[in-house]
Amino acid sequence: QKEVEQNSGPLSVPEGAIASLNCTYSDRGSQSFFWYRQYSGKSPELIMFIYSNGDKEDGRFTAQLNKASQYVSLLIRDSQPSDSATYLCAVNRYNTDKLIFGTGTRLQVFP
Amino acid sequence: GAVVSQHPSWVICKSGTSVKIECRSLDFQATTMFWYRQFPKQSLMLMATSNEGSKATYEQGVEKDKFLINHASLTLSTLTVTSAHPEDSSFYICSARTSGTQYFGPGTRLTVL
Repeated sequence: QKEVEQNSGPLSVPEGAIASLNCTYSDRGSQSFFWYRQYSGKSPELIMFIYSNGDKEDGRFTAQLNKASQYVSLLIRDSQPSDSATYLCAVNRYNTDKLIFGTGTRLQVFP
Repeated sequence: GAVVSQHPSWVICKSGTSVKIECRSLDFQATTMFWYRQFPKQSLMLMATSNEGSKATYEQGVEKDKFLINHASLTLSTLTVTSAHPEDSSFYICSARTSGTQYFGPGTRLTVL
């Protein structure tokens, strides 16, 4: 079992719809959770992070964390073609600086 | 805030030569920086953790004598690929950590002929 698992996709959604990206992790000691977006040929850019159970909203993005289920998700409202990218889930285990990355989910938003 | 730069953005070199890549945190100090490598259509692979003023910690399978890391100041870490070979051609990305979050540089695309 991989430490951080994501569906590779592609996830295809129409413009204006909600895109839901999911991520599960295996280490219950994980403390911090991050979502990065990576366009083809570019480096990852931080979208948002979440530490506590529940929802965290930032503009069109909402991160959801459920530590009991070891599950973190990212919702993108009013999806735009410019949101088409690979979304990387990353987890920071307790007492370590390292991030453990999932393999990413490719999102395609079509007009 | 939290801007990380890398130089060069791309480099082409001959097999057997060495290449140095710089990673700078522009608006914050970073005691810890990270070096990743990414092959086409694959995920990020952590190569090493760079700590200011001390030796880097390498991931399993990464040759420390081939990938030399120096973190001489709180804003600069360098990765030197020594005796580069075509199989070292990849996208090298650094990140710097502040307030518990990693911010990535734009990456360096290395092509070894």
